[in-house]
Amino acid sequence: NAGVMQNPRHLVRRRGQEARLRCSPMKGHSHVYWYRQLPEEGLKFMVYLQKENIIDESGMPKERFSAEFPKEGPSILRIQQVVRGDSAAYFCASSPKFAAEGETQYFGPGTRLLVL
Amino acid sequence: KNEVEQSPQNLTAQEGEFITINCSYSVGISALHWLQQHPGGGIVSLFMLSSGKKKHGRLIATINIQEKHSSLHITASHPRDSAVYICAVSGSARQLTFGSGTQLTVLP
Repeated sequence: NAGVMQNPRHLVRRRGQEARLRCSPMKGHSHVYWYRQLPEEGLKFMVYLQKENIIDESGMPKERFSAEFPKEGPSILRIQQVVRGDSAAYFCASSPKFAAEGETQYFGPGTRLLVL
Repeated sequence: KNEVEQSPQNLTAQEGEFITINCSYSVGISALHWLQQHPGGGIVSLFMLSSGKKKHGRLIATINIQEKHSSLHITASHPRDSAVYICAVSGSARQLTFGSGTQLTVLP
């Protein structure tokens, strides 16, 4: 059973370009979370999605950032018109069906975004 | 004040020592998670617990719900245990809220 896959692992963009980060959850997992780790800072929640639905985007910046998890294919985190402050490691995590006591989240290897 | 506080921020130990990392939280939770972030950046889930104690190999995690406190213990520490250990909590909202991490270095 392959783990959570993210690609690309490293992404370099110039200011003003678009960045697309992909996440394929573990097989059978229907919940996807995106987290961001800024340099020298801790992990912060961005968005929580289930297939075709955004459940909670309270951690997403209001502008330039969007996320989707289509019926078919990976989850996509899209950053438009990137700025230097977007440089960070972006982690995707997935979990299986809802469990009342909480679910273990399985993390992908992350995408390191560098904005020049 | 952060919702999840970890201590210490940095910890250096000699190989073989018993290590304890502490985590306190200020919100209601459904589960507490301990994660390990390797020097290369990858993140591994070590434990998810909502009560009591769990053990896996040389790692032990405990939680006291009344005191809103958890500890991660490493017995017979080894240089390969060197990593950042992160405490995180989840509640009715499924996403994780993270502590700032504890950088552990185990010297040979």
